[in-house]
Amino acid sequence: NAGVTQTPKFRVLKTGQSMTLLCAQDMNHEYMYWYRQDPGMGLRLIHYSVGEGTTAKGEVPDGYNVSRLKKQNFLLGLESAAPSQTSVYFCASGDLTNEKLFFGSGTQLSVL
Amino acid sequence: EDQVTQSPEALRLQEGESSSLNCSYTVSGLRGLFWYRQDPGKGPEFLFTLYSAGEEKEKERLKATLTKKESFLHITAPKPEDSATYLCAAYNQAGTALIFGKGTTLSVSS
Repeated sequence: NAGVTQTPKFRVLKTGQSMTLLCAQDMNHEYMYWYRQDPGMGLRLIHYSVGEGTTAKGEVPDGYNVSRLKKQNFLLGLESAAPSQTSVYFCASGDLTNEKLFFGSGTQLSVL
Repeated sequence: EDQVTQSPEALRLQEGESSSLNCSYTVSGLRGLFWYRQDPGKGPEFLFTLYSAGEEKEKERLKATLTKKESFLHITAPKPEDSATYLCAAYNQAGTALIFGKGTTLSVSS
């Protein structure tokens, strides 16, 4: 049972490049989330999904897009990376009770 | 605006020295107050959920309590392995996403 798996674990981009972060969960959870974590800022919600085919904006959605085409996968896209998007990105999932979230191990992204 | 605030930002304890971490929230219609532990380089790991004022939950040396405006994470006789960042979170008003505090980084030295 892998839980929540994020790929890649590390990535370095140049300003203006694009990339997609993949989150996969094998727990049949309805809810999935993307957070970013920066020093002194805590975890901030980027986008989330309450079910397959649905997405919603969180606290800091600008510069990111997401898709939930399959229930088990939640993709986070950066169309034109900026240095301000240098951060650690965490994906999480939860079931319909949402009593607790399960987090992936994170993706360290650096934008130069 | 829904908000979760944690204090202190950092806490240094000697092994065996008990203390408490604070989490205050201004979320209307609280649907759950959560505590997570995060070790360096890893994702947060669930500890507790509290739903109503007066509720308490325990796990080993940790005990979480909830009032109408605050939650406390009490650490009794901590050990070095309790060193981590402790995060508090509450659901937004829609009940669809967790709002996290900035965390308290706990260091326990032997």
